[in-house]
Amino acid sequence: TQLLEQSPQFLSIQEGENLTVYCNSSSVFSSLQWYRQEPGEGPVLLVTVVTGGEVKKLKRLTFQFGDARKDSSLHITAAQPGDTGLYLCAGGRDSNYQLIWGAGTKLIIKP
Amino acid sequence: DTAVSQTPKYLVTQMGNDKSIKCEQNLGHDTMYWYKQDSKKFLKIMFSYNNKELIINETVPNRFSPKSPDKAHLNLHINSLELGDSAVYFCASSQVGDPEAPQYFGPGTRLTVL
Repeated sequence: TQLLEQSPQFLSIQEGENLTVYCNSSSVFSSLQWYRQEPGEGPVLLVTVVTGGEVKKLKRLTFQFGDARKDSSLHITAAQPGDTGLYLCAGGRDSNYQLIWGAGTKLIIKP
Repeated sequence: DTAVSQTPKYLVTQMGNDKSIKCEQNLGHDTMYWYKQDSKKFLKIMFSYNNKELIINETVPNRFSPKSPDKAHLNLHINSLELGDSAVYFCASSQVGDPEAPQYFGPGTRLTVL
């Protein structure tokens, strides 16, 4: 059972465009993390959101946690080729021993 | 300094062989994980150890056996390798208890079973 649904699965856009990636669930999470994975490497944490309705910004990236803590979005403004990668969302439960992972969004930004 | 390291980076072997992957973290974390990432890039948890104790053991064939000699090391031994075991295996570590604590991943071991 896939508890965290990510959409779209694949996105290829031109440099300078904006985009949004979604991470949805019917379950409530105590925290939601976003990771980026580049080819040949392991995922690297971008941000953690823990409060319903929370918005965090990381330069051109804006992350939002849904009010009910069941969903999250990642918005990239003026995408650049360096943003290319696999974006993974992961939901944490209270015990925090195990993250529930989304299937990922493969993002390609063309120059 | 490398935070989470894995060896080897690449592993090519024949069906039926036994192989091991080693993982070490120098972050002082108390929890370590093994993940399998298939060709579709889905990241699946296999095992988790907290202070050398197994706490997560997902539905994984018993041909896979993790071993944690100490908090900083978590090795994965695979017996009788099968074609379906081909994947990238990631080791990760975290400090459990902090709700914002990230998992730090190693560079991965690409296993190819021929």
